[in-house]
Amino acid sequence: EDQVTQSPEALRLQEGESSSLNCSYTVSGLRGLFWYRQDPGKGPEFLFTLYSAGEEKEKERLKATLTKKESFLHITAPKPEDSATYLCAVQQSSGGSQGNLIFGKGTKLSVKP
Amino acid sequence: DTEVTQTPKHLVMGMTNKKSLKCEQHMGHRAMYWYKQKAKKPPELMFVYSYEKLSINESVPSRFSPECPNSSLLNLHLHALQPEDSALYLCASSQEGGPRPQHFGDGTRLSIL
Repeated sequence: EDQVTQSPEALRLQEGESSSLNCSYTVSGLRGLFWYRQDPGKGPEFLFTLYSAGEEKEKERLKATLTKKESFLHITAPKPEDSATYLCAVQQSSGGSQGNLIFGKGTKLSVKP
Repeated sequence: DTEVTQTPKHLVMGMTNKKSLKCEQHMGHRAMYWYKQKAKKPPELMFVYSYEKLSINESVPSRFSPECPNSSLLNLHLHALQPEDSALYLCASSQEGGPRPQHFGDGTRLSIL
């Protein structure tokens, strides 16, 4: 069965304390892996797309990496405004041209000042 | 600000009411999506429209009826909903062809009395 597993479920960091979120996946034929940020009461905000193993993308304090089995979202020197739920989603090759997104359950990140 | 606009932001309705949720995007995307999200859960795909035609229906009950009047608009008509249908309803859009990121609106918070 296709699965996307995120860990940890929740992460508490002090401001400036760098860490990583994990997204492991087992899908047949990965077409793309997406990272989103979701604030309470809001829709998911697109962060990154990764297409193939070895690929890396960066945006401000965030860096996403991809291997054949997992992706990491590295957060460097986080600030309180980085607090949110981070969702990972994969699109598999059998899902048609749009492709169903398979979402993980998310990691809730809290950054304390 | 999100480029996918959903109205209303909040909706309270009785089980016998008929209401509609609306979604609009002006990014030129030809794929549009409806998702349902319960508290502390990831979004669940309901419907996908591609070039204004319904391409995916994830076995959603008939009390939810989608409509895509044109390439910029997506509606979700609601009738005879149940209390368990209370959730955040998210609209998203994406470019067609290949693994493209979906861009989400901020959703409609629906409460069924």
